[in-house]
Amino acid sequence: EIVLTQSPGTLSLSPGERATLSCRASQSVSSSYLAWYQQKPGQAPRLLIYGASSRATGIPDRFSGSGSGTDFTLTISRLEPEDFAVYYCQQYGTTPLTFGQGTKVEIK
Amino acid sequence: QLQLQESGPGLVKPSETLSLTCTVSGGSIGSNSYYWGWIRQPPGKGLEWIGSVYYGGSTYYNPSLRSRLTISVDTSKNQFSLKLSSVTAADTAVYYCARPVEMATIWSACDIWGQGTMVTVSS
Repeated sequence: EIVLTQSPGTLSLSPGERATLSCRASQSVSSSYLAWYQQKPGQAPRLLIYGASSRATGIPDRFSGSGSGTDFTLTISRLEPEDFAVYYCQQYGTTPLTFGQGTKVEIK
Repeated sequence: QLQLQESGPGLVKPSETLSLTCTVSGGSIGSNSYYWGWIRQPPGKGLEWIGSVYYGGSTYYNPSLRSRLTISVDTSKNQFSLKLSSVTAADTAVYYCARPVEMATIWSACDIWGQGTMVTVSS
């Protein structure tokens, strides 16, 4: 099983600032099959990025993904008030599909 | 617009079987060759992939749950279902059904999710 470790656990930032979230895999993620989701309280996860760097339909371009192998990054260029949430990475190149433990982006 | 809706009992007794159904609306399970998935989230914790079922019936299961898990599809009802036997308090979670971005492959992220249903295991 591929274990995904996200860092930091919590990111305290102000609106307008840049957020950089990390996801590290215990082994190489096949074909960069790495996704990022946003989740707000009481809501289902929302797909932001798949294939490590492709934005899902309707996702603003302030969200970008990068990385390959075992190290991946989600960047939010300028935080909007609605971006404060929990973010999860997921690898879907090997079963079982696995998720990271999440990074909470909170208002400073 | 495709929508997914989970349904089933909100309370299940320990050692019994948890049964949930995901109803697909705005599209046909039978005419779209997706691997339909189940994911769960214990209260205050992260996400766990449970398993996926192809519209033709083939399945992938999380090995940690395989011995207790059955996922099936009913194209005539436009539904797919999850059964988890011998439940314990550790199975208490919000259960989501989801549809992947890519057709005909398990190797895909999910872009359409149900709203989730809370299932509590308690006597």
